[in-house]
Amino acid sequence: EDQVTQSPEALRLQEGESSSLNCSYTVSGLRGLFWYRQDPGKGPEFLFTLYSAGEEKEKERLKATLTKKESFLHITAPKPEDSATYLCAVQAAIKAAGNKLTFGGGTRVLVKP
Amino acid sequence: DAGVIQSPRHEVTEMGQEVTLRCKPISGHDYLFWYRQTMMRGLELLIYFNNNVPIDDSGMPEDRFSAKMPNASFSTLKIQPSEPRDSAVYFCASSSFWTGTTIDEQYFGPGTRLTVT
Repeated sequence: EDQVTQSPEALRLQEGESSSLNCSYTVSGLRGLFWYRQDPGKGPEFLFTLYSAGEEKEKERLKATLTKKESFLHITAPKPEDSATYLCAVQAAIKAAGNKLTFGGGTRVLVKP
Repeated sequence: DAGVIQSPRHEVTEMGQEVTLRCKPISGHDYLFWYRQTMMRGLELLIYFNNNVPIDDSGMPEDRFSAKMPNASFSTLKIQPSEPRDSAVYFCASSSFWTGTTIDEQYFGPGTRLTVT
């Protein structure tokens, strides 16, 4: 069974204080790993897809990296508007998995001015 | 595009009542997903459709839950009878076809917050 574990559960940062979120996964062959951002009262919003170990993607102050066992979401010099819950999800490469995503529990990030 | 549309946004009902949640996916998307989100269990996939056909309903918790997709622009998730433990936020998401080289991301709706008293 595919499993995704995110840590820490919550993170409080001062504005400008860089940090990293971890996503550890177990999957029967990885087709893709996804990062989403979720604001309170809203649906998850897509950020990145990573496909293979060593791949990196960046968007503004966010950078996602991938190894064979985990992914990191680095937040560089965060601003209060980066406060949100960040969700990690995996999609398995086996045919039976179809287009299913398995999500982690998320990391709640609060950036204080 | 208006994105994925869900209705109602909030639903409060009494135990034993029937609840119907509605979803309109993004036009042109081939896949539609229903998720449930709770503090305890996080975001869980309930069922998904491809070209209006249910592909995997292994996440549907019980026979009380059913989902339909009569056409490409509309889907429903029904709970009958509802129970307090069904209280959660239910999300609908849609995506287009996977090309074989890249995966098209899922676009989520705003969710329906269901409270069963």
